[in-house]
Amino acid sequence: KNEVEQSPQNLTAQEGEFITINCSYSVGISALHWLQQHPGGGIVSLFMLSSGKKKHGRLIATINIQEKHSSLHITASHPRDSAVYICAVSRPGGSQGNLIFGKGTKLSVKP
Amino acid sequence: DSGVTQTPKHLITATGQRVTLRCSPRSGDLSVYWYQQSLDQGLQFLIQYYNGEERAKGNILERFSAQQFPDLHSELNLSSLELGDSALYFCASSPQAAAETQYFGPGTRLLVL
Repeated sequence: KNEVEQSPQNLTAQEGEFITINCSYSVGISALHWLQQHPGGGIVSLFMLSSGKKKHGRLIATINIQEKHSSLHITASHPRDSAVYICAVSRPGGSQGNLIFGKGTKLSVKP
Repeated sequence: DSGVTQTPKHLITATGQRVTLRCSPRSGDLSVYWYQQSLDQGLQFLIQYYNGEERAKGNILERFSAQQFPDLHSELNLSSLELGDSALYFCASSPQAAAETQYFGPGTRLLVL
């Protein structure tokens, strides 16, 4: 079983829809990261959070430490949001920096 | 633009060969991470350097090695290449060695024929 699981694997939405991507993890963490990988391959860090909720524009990330679960929400989705969204966790202790990744959720937003 | 640069962008080589991938971190960042992204395994952590010293090791093969130089740029050396080494190799950097936002380079796409 993977230490970081994401669902769904693939998601197709219509422009304007509210989107939720889920991430569950089975290990202790010091932080959880949401990354976006563009169709060209580049990776951008969207959020890093260890508790509560963060918002940036139309993106909202939440984490529930007790339930070991995080969600990434996109409001008013747009075709330019089409990308692979990857959840990753930092482990506590000496190797906090290295990330353990989920397999990603491929999002396609249709106009 | 993350401020992290990687060269080359693309690399095509043959089995058994050796290649070197280069990464320059963002100005001021002391940590460099190397990741491999293959179709079947997804993204995997290979190795981390912090201020010139190896900090953490992940799923890095013995045929692979890395180093970080005094100017903080890093190189990942891949030798005795196999078909299965074909992948995207990303470098990322961060200010320290803690759980913090990492800034990814554009990646090097390696194809082993």
